[in-house]
Amino acid sequence: EAQVTQNPRYLITVTGKKLTVTCSQNMNHEYMSWYRQDPGLGLRQIYYSMNVEVTDKGDVPEGYKVSRKEKRNFPLILESPSPNQTSLYFCASSPRTSGRALGPDTQYFGPGTRLTVL
Amino acid sequence: TQLLEQSPQFLSIQEGENLTVYCNSSSVFSSLQWYRQEPGEGPVLLVTVVTGGEVKKLKRLTFQFGDARKDSSLHITAAQPGDTGLYLCAGGSTDGGSQGNLIFGKGTKLSVKP
Repeated sequence: EAQVTQNPRYLITVTGKKLTVTCSQNMNHEYMSWYRQDPGLGLRQIYYSMNVEVTDKGDVPEGYKVSRKEKRNFPLILESPSPNQTSLYFCASSPRTSGRALGPDTQYFGPGTRLTVL
Repeated sequence: TQLLEQSPQFLSIQEGENLTVYCNSSSVFSSLQWYRQEPGEGPVLLVTVVTGGEVKKLKRLTFQFGDARKDSSLHITAAQPGDTGLYLCAGGSTDGGSQGNLIFGKGTKLSVKP
């Protein structure tokens, strides 16, 4: 089954304790992205990757790191989490489009990771 | 910074009514996508519009991209309780250096009562 998986689904941690949220897709998609969703602020893009070893900042990259060493995986790393990073996080993947539209085509979202930083 | 404003933020209607959700910006977008998100799940793509003036239909849903590619609308005819959810629009950057940057509106929360 074609899917995007995220782990863990729920995480409660403390300020300053490094954590990694994993994201994996089995659709051979070139494009992957991380978002956070907060009440009143909507979905905001953290980082995205157009291909292996190519990553770029989205709108809210501060406090986050990513890596794209292989096509299927795109982990999100919080080196020193803070309470303002408490949020619902989504990973998404998309095939690149070489047609008229720039950027990602259909994005397939993972189920989300609810992170609480105390 | 490119922004997308969605309106209304909340909409509560009776089954069978029609509704329109708007997504507006002062910026031009290369493409515009509409998603629906249900509680506890990730957004699911409904449609992508690319050409200015483009109209796409998906059963009772009609999507339109503005001529200048700065705005879009989603119209639902004869809404059903199953249409309940959070509707999000997302625009693709026209900056060649940030092709992967997607900007989302804050969403319209639709509730359709039987």
